[in-house]
Amino acid sequence: TQLLEQSPQFLSIQEGENLTVYCNSSSVFSSLQWYRQEPGEGPVLLVTVVTGGEVKKLKRLTFQFGDARKDSSLHITAAQPGDTGLYLCAGGGNYGQNFVFGPGTRLSVLP
Amino acid sequence: GAVVSQHPSWVICKSGTSVKIECRSLDFQATTMFWYRQFPKQSLMLMATSNEGSKATYEQGVEKDKFLINHASLTLSTLTVTSAHPEDSSFYICSAKSGGGDTQYFGPGTRLTVL
Repeated sequence: TQLLEQSPQFLSIQEGENLTVYCNSSSVFSSLQWYRQEPGEGPVLLVTVVTGGEVKKLKRLTFQFGDARKDSSLHITAAQPGDTGLYLCAGGGNYGQNFVFGPGTRLSVLP
Repeated sequence: GAVVSQHPSWVICKSGTSVKIECRSLDFQATTMFWYRQFPKQSLMLMATSNEGSKATYEQGVEKDKFLINHASLTLSTLTVTSAHPEDSSFYICSAKSGGGDTQYFGPGTRLTVL
């Protein structure tokens, strides 16, 4: 069974600060996805990373897929209150792997 | 593109009744749909995977007779919670994907409260 771990579990920062959240596994994944979920809503896909070492940028968000495709990171520059939410990584679904979600990182950006 | 809708958004029902939740892919054909449940402040837990025209595959610990899933077309899957009890109260979320890609697109969720 493939498991995804995320750290930190909770993060509370001031507006304007930078932060990085991590998604780790002992298994190799064909791809990893990052989602953001707000209370009472479904997760919204932010990015899919496929190639080991890949870096993708989405405005102030930078996503990186580890060279071995076992881990990923999400870096947010100059965080804003609108970035508040639950950040979930997910992977699998191919090559016989079950699709799994990490436990999430709950981010709170204070004005 | 890749929009998934769910209906209803929220539902309150009495214990012992059945509730049906619909999940639709609006602008693409979903060969595979997934049903998740999420408890407050927790991550998503996969309940079952369904492919159009086939029986759903349930995760370990999920009662197939209690959570009936029907994926009758490439744009519609339904989850029926039968004989609902208060412990079934949760946030139910569906997702859909097309073809062999990994990416799933999620619906907005349905909040079920069983009194």
